[in-house]
Formats: sequence, C-alpha cells, structure tokens
Amino acid sequence: KNEVEQSPQNLTAQEGEFITINCSYSVGISALHWLQQHPGGGIVSLFMLSSGKKKHGRLIATINIQEKHSSLHITASHPRDSAVYICAVLYLTGNQFYFGTGTSLTVIP
Amino acid sequence: KAGVTQTPRYLIKTRGQQVTLSCSPISGHRSVSWYQQTPGQGLQFLFEYFSETQRNKGNFPGRFSGRQFSNSRSEMNVSTLELGDSALYLCASSSSDPLVGELFFGEGSRLTVL
Repeated sequence: KNEVEQSPQNLTAQEGEFITINCSYSVGISALHWLQQHPGGGIVSLFMLSSGKKKHGRLIATINIQEKHSSLHITASHPRDSAVYICAVLYLTGNQFYFGTGTSLTVIP
Repeated sequence: KAGVTQTPRYLIKTRGQQVTLSCSPISGHRSVSWYQQTPGQGLQFLFEYFSETQRNKGNFPGRFSGRQFSNSRSEMNVSTLELGDSALYLCASSSSDPLVGELFFGEGSRLTVL
C-alpha cells in the first residue's frame, strides 16, 4: 500500500520558534515534494527533493532515502508561516503522486 | 508573467449533472495536472496531460476525464455528478515532468454538488 504519513497533524508555535514537520513513506521514491496551502485553497510548491537537502530563506527540507523519511524545517517562525504543509511522493513503481494528510501549522505572535 | 488560471472559481451543480472545469497554464508550460481535494480524502491525483496526451492517471472512475488543447489549456469533465464529487479541484502546470519538476498551482475550482 502506498502510504504517506505526516506528523504532527496539528502544530501551534510561538513566533520565533524552530519548527519541524515530518513525512514518512513506505517504499522507494523518485521524488518528494513539499507544498504549502494557505486558507482559501491556494497551493505553493516549496521544494522538490530526490536526495540530500535544500534551503530557501527560512525553510529547509531534507530527505533520507535509506530511512524513507523527509523533514521540513522552518527557522524563526512567523505568523505568515501559518498554513497547511503537505508532502507528496512519487514512488519508483508508480506514475502518480501520493499525498500526506497535511500538517496544520499556526504561529502565534 | 501570469500564473495558472482556473475557471470557474465556484460552482454549484445537482446530482446527475455534468461539469467542465478549465485550466490555463503558465505561458510556455506544456504539462497540466489535475487534483481533487476533499476534507475526508485530502489531496488526490487525477491525471496529467502533456502536449495534448494523457501521460499519467490516478485511481478515479471513468466519470472523470480530461483533455488538453494545442495551446496547452486543459479541461476536466465530471459526468453524472455524485454528492461525493463535491471538492476543490486544483490544476498545476509545469515546464517539465510534473512528477519530478516544480509545480505551479492555480487557485482551484470549488464544486458543490447538491
């Protein structure tokens, strides 16, 4: 079964805190995407990873292929980071995305 | 550079009707993929078109179909609507293979089936 699990489901943080969101998957993948969805529905693609680590501003994404795990880190969190973060994977055996259920992040000023 | 445009943004239909949604990709992007998002199932992949050909397809019944035109604009159609088809339908465009390249999403079309 092509499962993608995210944790935590909900996260509340104080402004300035370091945040980690996790994504685990079950079999080998070709690529993993991290997406951000703000209230109202619009989705922004944050990162696409197939190995290693990527950084963009205060956001860092890492992936460990052997452990089948990826993390999204937010440094110095800000209320505008409040959103739902979703990971999506493309398995080696498939040709479609499978999505995690999302992590709802609220950053309090 | 204009983003991905989806129309209509909101629509209400009744069971048994059909609906057509439109997606205009970013200029120069040849790949358009479609997704369904519901509170119960989350995001699910519908299908992906590249240069007017369906390249990839998710696990949805045949009532869900799509097509892509020569200008890369895409439409998806849902026939014989069911209550469970109520969802936010998102499309995304990509200049390369969307399954491994960057995706640019539209704002979505919110469908309510009564």
